[in-house]
Amino acid sequence: EDQVTQSPEALRLQEGESSSLNCSYTVSGLRGLFWYRQDPGKGPEFLFTLYSAGEEKEKERLKATLTKKESFLHITAPKPEDSATYLCAAQYNTDKLIFGTGTRLQVFP
Amino acid sequence: DGGITQSPKYLFRKEGQNVTLSCEQNLNHDAMYWYRQDPGQGLRLIYYSQIVNDFQKGDIAEGYSVSREKKESFPLTVTSAQKNPTAFYLCASSRDSNYEQYFGPGTRLTVT
Repeated sequence: EDQVTQSPEALRLQEGESSSLNCSYTVSGLRGLFWYRQDPGKGPEFLFTLYSAGEEKEKERLKATLTKKESFLHITAPKPEDSATYLCAAQYNTDKLIFGTGTRLQVFP
Repeated sequence: DGGITQSPKYLFRKEGQNVTLSCEQNLNHDAMYWYRQDPGQGLRLIYYSQIVNDFQKGDIAEGYSVSREKKESFPLTVTSAQKNPTAFYLCASSRDSNYEQYFGPGTRLTVT
């Protein structure tokens, strides 16, 4: 069964303390890997799409990377405003996305 | 401004009543989706539509119904047959199924 697993479930960082979030996916038939940011009580905000192993995309303090079995969201020198839940989703050989349960990130000043 | 709107933000209903959640987009997207989000679970797909007057069931369609009479609108009805309707409902749209999805602000439905 195709699935997506995110780790850790929760992450507490000091402001400026860089770290990475992990998203593992089923290997076969990946068409795209998507990252979203979700603030409490709001809809997810699109961040990145990755299509093939080795691909990287950056936006401000965030960088997403993709290997053949997992994706990482690297957060460099995070600020308190980066606190949110980060979701990843995989699209296989269908029109549907499969979402992970998210990593809840808290950044303290 | 282009975007996706959902209304209302909060909705309260008594058990046994049907309720319709609104979703409108002005992004000129062909595909639209409805998801349900519950604590500790990933977003789960209820229904999706790739074109006007056509829609498909997602993973948890039982107790829900949709219509797609206009490209910009995709309302979701939560019927009395849905056993656990209290949840956060999210609508999304995309250019087509090969592109990223953009989400609305969500509707929190509470049924008592």
